[in-house]
Amino acid sequence: QQQVKQSPQSLIVQKGGISIINCAYENTAFDYFPWYQQFPGKGPALLIAIRPDVSEKKEGRFTISFNKSAKQFSLHIMDSQPGDSATYFCAASRDNYGQNFVFGPGTRLSVLP
Amino acid sequence: DVKVTQSSRYLVKRTGEKVFLECVQDMDHENMFWYRQDPGLGLRLIYFSYDVKMKEKGDIPEGYSVSREKKERFSLILESASTNQTSMYLCASRKDRGGAFFGQGTRLTVV
Repeated sequence: QQQVKQSPQSLIVQKGGISIINCAYENTAFDYFPWYQQFPGKGPALLIAIRPDVSEKKEGRFTISFNKSAKQFSLHIMDSQPGDSATYFCAASRDNYGQNFVFGPGTRLSVLP
Repeated sequence: DVKVTQSSRYLVKRTGEKVFLECVQDMDHENMFWYRQDPGLGLRLIYFSYDVKMKEKGDIPEGYSVSREKKERFSLILESASTNQTSMYLCASRKDRGGAFFGQGTRLTVV
């Protein structure tokens, strides 16, 4: 019940295309869903996050879509750029005292020039 | 900006050595975490702490211990380093709400 599943494992997109990464969770107690971006040799960086009271959140070229009934959420990267090439992790957590994060296994995105 | 600083970017240690990895955060966050990251295995939680002197085991605590004597500092200790502990170690912190912020990582090689 603590797992977060993520797909695809790797993704290749042409410059200017849309990158879509999907995640699914089981624990309905989760109420915070962030996405992290990690470049080689660096720590993950918080990219964008959503809570279950909204179905979509957009920040620049990055959009999270959230489907509470299906227990799924996805990251869309519009107008993908070579600089977006990185590993992306979805995660889930509870906003509460002493709660940790559950991370998906990651998606390696390559954007071709 | 939140800053999470890990004491070393790269470390090489010998088998059997006691190893200390230090992490400091400057945003008064209650929660701090240690993860290890290995190819194909994602991020695995070793230990986390939700308050000074409090700690909870994560998914893979064997061979590790932690110390949190001050709110801003969380140390990971490898009591007797082994080659299977060669990995990237990531420290993170968060308040009780919102995202976690990660350090730059420590790449530990045990020879």
